[in-house]
Amino acid sequence: GAVVSQHPSRVICKSGTSVKIECRSLDFQATTMFWYRQFPKQSLMLMATSNEGSKATYEQGVEKDKFLINHASLTLSTLTVTSAHPEDSSFYICSATKGQGANTGELFFGEGSRLTVL
Amino acid sequence: GENVEQHPSTLSVQEGDSAVIKCTYSDSASNYFPWYKQELGKRPQLIIDIRSNVGEKKDQRIAVTLNKTAKHFSLHITETQPEDSAVYFCAASFSGGYNKLIFGAGTRLAVHP
Repeated sequence: GAVVSQHPSRVICKSGTSVKIECRSLDFQATTMFWYRQFPKQSLMLMATSNEGSKATYEQGVEKDKFLINHASLTLSTLTVTSAHPEDSSFYICSATKGQGANTGELFFGEGSRLTVL
Repeated sequence: GENVEQHPSTLSVQEGDSAVIKCTYSDSASNYFPWYKQELGKRPQLIIDIRSNVGEKKDQRIAVTLNKTAKHFSLHITETQPEDSAVYFCAASFSGGYNKLIFGAGTRLAVHP
């Protein structure tokens, strides 16, 4: 199997603070991980592609200084929401793939993290 | 641009009927098309996928068809059951180094007993 674990599942923070979300591939190495954001009853919007050992690739309109991504190892990627504001409240979900390059394969999703900024 | 359109947004069927969800994509170079099912509060789960070198794939009650010329692919669920009720997302791969997946807007399927 392929298991992706995400932590924390829920976090409530005050406006202006930073929040870190971890995404781990438990039984496989993931060169590439993807971070998505999902608003209630809406689709999964790709925020950025996290690449082990290099800088993340951000989608248009996503502030890289706001959403810091670090892919420090082949099994761990982190998303830090800096200086969070109420509009950052959302469901953040990571995913990882066993495939590389042209061999895009199934995405395995983490459990998601529900961020509420007060 | 990179775009995946999905419709309908909601679909209501009676148990035992068939359900069809359709998606179109913008990049002719896309080569991987998965379908995910997401139940309320849970992570998306892959239910079936298809690559650009085949036109159709079937797995029990679920099938996917791909028309590369039209850049169109569809999910077919036969003999629907109440447990099929969920949100279904189509996705397409887009090139640019890491073959990211872009998702459609989702279809909320309700199967009534």
